[in-house]
Order: sequence, then structure tokens, then C-alpha cells
Amino acid sequence: QVQLVESGGGVVQPGRSLRLSCAASGFTFSNFSIHWVRQAPGKGLEWVAVISYDGNNKYYADSVKGRFTISRDNSKNTLYLQMNSLRAEDTAMYYCANGAYWGQGTLVTVSS
Amino acid sequence: SYELTQPPSVSVSPGQTARITCSGDALAKKYAYWYQQKSGQAPVLVIYEDSKRPSEIPERFSGSSSGTLATLTISGAQVEDEADYYCYSTDSSGTHWVFGGGTKLTVL
Repeated sequence: QVQLVESGGGVVQPGRSLRLSCAASGFTFSNFSIHWVRQAPGKGLEWVAVISYDGNNKYYADSVKGRFTISRDNSKNTLYLQMNSLRAEDTAMYYCANGAYWGQGTLVTVSS
Repeated sequence: SYELTQPPSVSVSPGQTARITCSGDALAKKYAYWYQQKSGQAPVLVIYEDSKRPSEIPERFSGSSSGTLATLTISGAQVEDEADYYCYSTDSSGTHWVFGGGTKLTVL
């Protein structure tokens, strides 16, 4: 069955970096655009970034542009999100999703 | 920046029809997607491309779109349908995605 499994979350100080991963299985990963979506505690869903099936096109929400980088390795069926210059407002559950399927999320907490 | 507007809450009695709307200028040309999120769980896709339903989603869920308004309809809502519902779509360029603010559906 389709599985998306996020990892790499944790507690990090403001200004530091973190890299999230999303391991995919059960579908042809290289055929799909993949999104990162986050949800701050008690808040709604917020789109973060999307990468095309081949990695050639990447788009970001204004709130993370210039600080976050989305990438993928189709040979490893894995999606990444490099997060730099983290802020308190980046604290959220981070999900990867191919539209129809979502992972269970990985929690990022930015706090001193 | 582009926005999708949803009502914060909708309340119906069991067996009634619940309608949740989503308004956005680009919806006239872009598809709407609808997600259901129950407390503590990841979102689940209930409608894609305005009106298509994944096979595992009950038939009481349907979607429609007209002009700049997309609508999720739950015909004969059940207590287990209580959740937050989010619409999802892109701006007119198709490069930036956005969620609506979410609608809390109460069935009681």
C-alpha cells in the first residue's frame, strides 16, 4: 500500500537548521509532484512547497521562500526539506503529500 | 497573496445535508480539492478535481464548482463525519498552492 513516512523533526533553536525526509513506497514516486504542508499547533493547514516529478520545478510559500529548499532523490524514493534560519513561527507538524496520500507527519519545534 | 475563503463552522443534525463552501477567484479555472481532518490525524482526501471521489470515500460526499465557488456536500451527514474540512487549490499561475482556513463541521 502507499506509504509516506516523514522523519527528521525535533527541537531546534531559532536561527538553526534542520532537514526533513519523506520516504515513499507503494507507488511510482518518480511520476508524482510532492508537497510539503505544515500545521502549527491548533491552527489550519499551510502549504509550504512543491516539487515536480523530475525535480526541475520547485515552488515555495512566501513565508519560507529563501529559507527552505525542497529536493528529491527519485533513485531513493525520498523527498527532502532543508530548513534554514528557523523561526518560532516555523513550529508545526510537517507533512509530505502526493495529493491523495499523506504521511503522519514529523513535529518541528523551534525554541530556545 | 491568493486566498481561499471558507466559513469557520457548519452545524447540522444527523441525517441532514451539510454544505461547506470555498470561495476564490482562481477557482473559475483551477480545480478544488477537499480534505477531511479528524482530531490528531493526518488529512484525508475526500474530493479531488472539483467533484471526483476516491473509491474509499462514502458516496454521501460530493463536490461541485461553479464560477469562483466550490462546494463540498455531505448528504445525510453522520456523527463520524465531524471533522475539520479544508479546500485546497492553486493560484491562477498554477505554481502556488493554498488551503482555505478550514471549516469545523459539527454533527449533533
